[in-house]
Amino acid sequence: DVKVTQSSRYLVKRTGEKVFLECVQDMDHENMFWYRQDPGLGLRLIYFSYDVKMKEKGDIPEGYSVSREKKERFSLILESASTNQTSMYLCASSLKGGYGYTFGSGTRLTVV
Amino acid sequence: GNSVTQMEGPVTLSEEAFLTINCTYTATGYPSLFWYVQYPGEGLQLLLKATKADDKGSNKGFEATYRKETTSFHLEKGSVQVSDSAVYFCALSVYNNNDMRFGAGTRLTVKP
Repeated sequence: DVKVTQSSRYLVKRTGEKVFLECVQDMDHENMFWYRQDPGLGLRLIYFSYDVKMKEKGDIPEGYSVSREKKERFSLILESASTNQTSMYLCASSLKGGYGYTFGSGTRLTVV
Repeated sequence: GNSVTQMEGPVTLSEEAFLTINCTYTATGYPSLFWYVQYPGEGLQLLLKATKADDKGSNKGFEATYRKETTSFHLEKGSVQVSDSAVYFCALSVYNNNDMRFGAGTRLTVKP
């Protein structure tokens, strides 16, 4: 069964910490995405990547960065975590051409 | 820009009731349309999709028809079950543009 795996289901971090969220897919997909999900706001795109070492800003990139050193892995980095980054973070991947995304199970991050 | 608007929830129905969740879209180009479902504590799963006008996507008793004239993709099910309780997201992806846009989500609760 094809999968997108996010390294943690729940994470609690302190304000100011540098936080790494990891995502790995085993489907050889070119595209990978990071979203955050908040009540009443739906899914908002943070960053995406079309290829190794390539990244593009989404709608809300401020306070985040990403890394894609290998095709199967896409990392989201919170440079200095803040309480307003408490959220559910969802990773997704897809083939080129817009045929739907495969999502991971999500990481619920709490920043205290 | 590309966007999706779906009916606000929450929606509460009794078991075996008929379900409709409205979704309309705005897009440049020719989008593919999707419905995703998110069960409690999980990531999003693709429920169904349609890639061109008048296509009908279907899965697990759910259906949606791509209506270009009304720019709509309403989700329907003839008889809902308690196990259908989840959040449903309408989404679009423009061909060759993998920046999928999601609606805000509609929470469905089905009571026995």
